[in-house]
Amino acid sequence: GQNIDQPTEMTATEGAIVQINCTYQTSGFNGLFWYQQHAGEAPTFLSYNVLDGLEEKGRFSSFLSRSKGYSYLLLKELQMKDSASYLCAVRDSGAGSYQLTFGKGTKLSVIP
Amino acid sequence: EPEVTQTPSHQVTQMGQEVILRCVPISNHLYFYWYRQILGQKVEFLVSFYNNEISEKSEIFDDQFSVERPDGSNFTLKIRSTKLEDSAMYFCASIREFTGTSGRRSTGELFFGEGSRLTVL
Repeated sequence: GQNIDQPTEMTATEGAIVQINCTYQTSGFNGLFWYQQHAGEAPTFLSYNVLDGLEEKGRFSSFLSRSKGYSYLLLKELQMKDSASYLCAVRDSGAGSYQLTFGKGTKLSVIP
Repeated sequence: EPEVTQTPSHQVTQMGQEVILRCVPISNHLYFYWYRQILGQKVEFLVSFYNNEISEKSEIFDDQFSVERPDGSNFTLKIRSTKLEDSAMYFCASIREFTGTSGRRSTGELFFGEGSRLTVL
């Protein structure tokens, strides 16, 4: 089984930087995803880490440490439209498997 | 940009009725999934489907649930006798995974549809 923990809510100021942490305890691991979900909408893909280190993609970066069971999503130059829930999800082991176990999500509020 | 499409966007049904939710995955994708999200809760895996058969399913996916790919384009989720607790947003997702020329598998992105909101009264 998988257990994924992330903060429930965070608030940050427009233009600032925010880091959303995620820790996981898993029986199998084949990568970690971050998704963005606006209220009432589908999750949209942000990043995927399978190896340790930092992956950068524009204003968004994601970090993974497999030995620590830890990841974070870093959002820079925050914009009001970044207000959303950010979902950490772990991919179950198995080469053909995209059975993802999601955390409960971190609701980010960006304020002026 | 190709997308996963789902119908209906919202369905209201009486407890005990059968419901079919439909999805059209992206055309060159090979793996299909159903996830659900009860209001205010986390996204939960239901089932994965590859090569015209179920490859994995969760404990939620009991005998009341079934999936089908009837015609090579649609991918359906059927709930035979709905219960109140089946009220949720149901997301279809698909992915195309392949091994590149270097032999390394491409991880790809799991594309989600916009969801079908099911309300059971």
